[in-house]
Amino acid sequence: QSLLTQPPSVSGAPGQRVTISCTGSSSNIGAGYDVHWYQQLPGTAPRLLIYNDNKRPSGVPDRFSGSKSGTSASLAITGLQAEDEAHYYCQSYDRSLSGAWVFGGGTKLTVL
Amino acid sequence: QITLKESGPTLVKPTQTLTLTCTFSGFSLSTSGVGVGWIRQPPGKAPEWLALIYWNDDKRYSPFLKSRLTITKDTSKNQVVLTMTNMDQVDTATYFCARMYSSGWNPWGQGTLVTVSS
Repeated sequence: QSLLTQPPSVSGAPGQRVTISCTGSSSNIGAGYDVHWYQQLPGTAPRLLIYNDNKRPSGVPDRFSGSKSGTSASLAITGLQAEDEAHYYCQSYDRSLSGAWVFGGGTKLTVL
Repeated sequence: QITLKESGPTLVKPTQTLTLTCTFSGFSLSTSGVGVGWIRQPPGKAPEWLALIYWNDDKRYSPFLKSRLTITKDTSKNQVVLTMTNMDQVDTATYFCARMYSSGWNPWGQGTLVTVSS
């Protein structure tokens, strides 16, 4: 059971906006630790999409945005495109159990 | 350009020790603040962080696997090595190395699939 909870799946039509939630606790997101988001296309390594809650690495389109409030974070994708169909994972740091970098269980985005 | 690449056996037997090497370029593990970690992903499941080594040789391990893991670095060769003892079928996964970026991971290597089977 992941310490960060994500919905197993979300879907949207091309051009629409979708959001993916990541719910943590007072030992990770709620403690103020940064949240990062990754996109994983089939057969490839995860790619950093959002870091430090809401920053985009160079090369990531501004259609992707991140936010955080309390013990939760969200990834928003606007102007949905077919190539956005992938698995998305949130990640943070958890201070329990002597500390660990933790990932959410992942969300499969389907573009209808 | 920063790149990382994992190497090691693709098949190990139960109870054996796994040794994986991460060879990287485009940065130095002797630079203050830099870290390289290992993350694995069982087929169809989420990634799981395993270990991290910093430029100053500070080492961190997953609390769930700490007794089985050892991470070391060879700065002159731009390599980080992970060993995992007493391998079991549940350890079958793709193993990635990645550079620490803030408190996230960027970039990742392509990964290497390790199957545990007799």
